[in-house]
Amino acid sequence: EIVLTQSPGTLSLSPGERATLSCRASQSVSSSYLGWYQQKPGQAPRLLFYATSSRATGIPDRFSGSGSGTDFTLTISRLEPEDFAVYYCQHYDGSRTFGQGTKVEIK
Amino acid sequence: QVHLVQSGDEVKKPGASVKVSCRASGYTFSDYGISWVRQAPGRGLEWMGWVSAYNDDTNYAQKFQGRVTMTTDASTKTGYMELRSLTYDDTAVYYCGRGSYYDYWGQGTLVTVSS
Repeated sequence: EIVLTQSPGTLSLSPGERATLSCRASQSVSSSYLGWYQQKPGQAPRLLFYATSSRATGIPDRFSGSGSGTDFTLTISRLEPEDFAVYYCQHYDGSRTFGQGTKVEIK
Repeated sequence: QVHLVQSGDEVKKPGASVKVSCRASGYTFSDYGISWVRQAPGRGLEWMGWVSAYNDDTNYAQKFQGRVTMTTDASTKTGYMELRSLTYDDTAVYYCGRGSYYDYWGQGTLVTVSS
């Protein structure tokens, strides 16, 4: 089973700053099957990216996804107040595991 | 537009079973599978499994093998997740999601296991 490890666990940043979130897989995965989600308290997750870098409907372009092999990155170029949330990566081929999440909190 | 509407919150005793439904609308039901994901209080997302809405093929996470059954009913465009032999550790919000990557989600169903 592929294990996804996200880092850091918590990212403390101010609005307007850049956020870089990492997702590392225990073995190489196809970039066609790597996604990112955002979750706010009390809400269902929301899809941000599928196939590593394909932006889901309605996701602003300050969000970007990249990576290949075992290393994947979600970048938020300039944090807006509504971006403070928990972010999860997921591999969705075969056994569809999630990373443990990165919380982006206001500094 | 696409909607996934889940059944209401449940309270169950240890050892009981729970069956959560996920009613779909706004798309061709058989074109997408239904996945189930749960989230224990204060914890991350945990994938439980997937069921094809085309032919009822399933793929369960190893952790839940033998204890979970996922099905669909094309006539009502509804997916179901039944979890048996509940323990306190099964207390969680259970979500359904559409497709391979979950572009649409249900609102969540809180299942509380309590004696």
